[in-house]
Amino acid sequence: EPEVTQTPSHQVTQMGQEVILRCVPISNHLYFYWYRQILGQKVEFLVSFYNNEISEKSEIFDDQFSVERPDGSNFTLKIRSTKLEDSAMYFCASSAYTSGLDPQYFGPGTRLLVL
Amino acid sequence: GENVEQHPSTLSVQEGDSAVIKCTYSDSASNYFPWYKQELGKGPQLIIDIRSNVGEKKDQRIAVTLNKTAKHFSLHITETQPEDSAVYFCAASTGGFKTIFGAGTRLFVKA
Repeated sequence: EPEVTQTPSHQVTQMGQEVILRCVPISNHLYFYWYRQILGQKVEFLVSFYNNEISEKSEIFDDQFSVERPDGSNFTLKIRSTKLEDSAMYFCASSAYTSGLDPQYFGPGTRLLVL
Repeated sequence: GENVEQHPSTLSVQEGDSAVIKCTYSDSASNYFPWYKQELGKGPQLIIDIRSNVGEKKDQRIAVTLNKTAKHFSLHITETQPEDSAVYFCAASTGGFKTIFGAGTRLFVKA
C-alpha cells in the first residue's frame, strides 16, 4: 500500500539555525499539507499546497516558514531561523482531492528539537 | 475561528465493552469529518470518515454518526480490544484545504 514518507525521523538543531524537513507524498496525490503537534497536544494545521503554490495557511505559518516542491516527488518545509517553541512533531500529509472531500494520509513525522 | 471540541480527554474501558467519543464543531460550512487513530510515536492514521450528506457510517466494529443540525459527530467502537488503545482525534474540514483537529481522546482498553 502506498504511503507518505518523511525524513529525517529526528532532527536536533540549535536555536537560530535553518532546518529543512522532507516528505515524499503518495505518488498520484495532488494536495500536500504540513501539520505540527507539540508534545501531548492536538495536531495543528500549518499549510496546504497545490499546483506549486500555497492554497491555505494558518496563523502559525509565518514568514519563518516556507514550503517547496523542488521536484516531482519531494515536498519540503523550511524553518529559516528556528525558535525553542518550534520544537514539535511535524507531519506531512497528502490527498488525492479528486472530489474535494478526500481523506488525508499522514506520514510518520519528524521530531524536531530546538536547543 | 473554527474550533472542534472533543470529549472525553481520557477514556478507560474493559475489553469487550463499547467506547464512545464525541465531538462538536463550530463552522457550519464543515462537510467532511475524518477520525484518526494515533499510536505512540506514529502519525495519525485515518480509520473512518463521514461526509455531511450521510448521517451514519459503519465499518466493522467502528461507526460514526453525524448530526448536522446540532453540529455533533461521534465515534463508536464496539467490542473493544487491547490493540484499540491509542489516541483518537476527530477533525472537521470544509472541503480539503484546512482540517481542524480536536484535542484528542486517550483510550485505554483493559484486558
